Amino acid sequence: GQQLNQSPQSMFIQEGEDVSMNCTSSSIFNTWLWYKQDPGEGPVLLIALYKAGELTSNGRLTAQFGITRKDSFLNISASIPSDVGIYFCAGHNQGGKLIFGQGTELSVKP
Amino acid sequence: DAGVTQSPTHLIKTRGQQVTLRCSPKSGHDTVSWYQQALGQGPQFIFQYYEEEERQRGNFPDRFSGHQFPNYSSELNVNALLLGDSALYLCASSRITSDRSGEQYFGPGTRLTVT
Repeated sequence: GQQLNQSPQSMFIQEGEDVSMNCTSSSIFNTWLWYKQDPGEGPVLLIALYKAGELTSNGRLTAQFGITRKDSFLNISASIPSDVGIYFCAGHNQGGKLIFGQGTELSVKP
Repeated sequence: DAGVTQSPTHLIKTRGQQVTLRCSPKSGHDTVSWYQQALGQGPQFIFQYYEEEERQRGNFPDRFSGHQFPNYSSELNVNALLLGDSALYLCASSRITSDRSGEQYFGPGTRLTVT
């Protein structure tokens, strides 16, 4: 099925470090979303972006909607152990379905 | 305010059998989407229901069918199960009339194992 290109696939970082991950697409999207999924759980919505160039923060998380509408990035500042999990980007156009990236698995060493 | 709920949590079926999964959307939401998530992959869109009709469908065979009820809850049915249907099935709800219709909220999922 269709997927977005998300990188990196995995990251091992020290507690307190900043993290950056990004997502690219060959198609434009009207909305970009970032989700976090813990093992055995459903994805939890972190941030939704609606305008090209938009920069939005949610606590230690910051995400941007690329100017071309074909990419987005997510930054996590001062990582903590509970940031561990899999982060997914998703693109959406009017009409329903979300297209997901392959996920970035984040591990944080205390 | 209850979030999206799904049942059952886990299910084990045999090849060739049929299965029904259930979903109740978040309060105030009118649209339900179903996704299949294989291990190590992102969720893949199966279909979406609004006003009790299938509104959009992903690249899944006709063995996958669904239904939405007047109270907005939904069912996913899979017939003639294959080993490859083993996955986490996620339900997501949203409000189609909202200018934030892209914000889909997921339930905890149903883990289906086909043996």
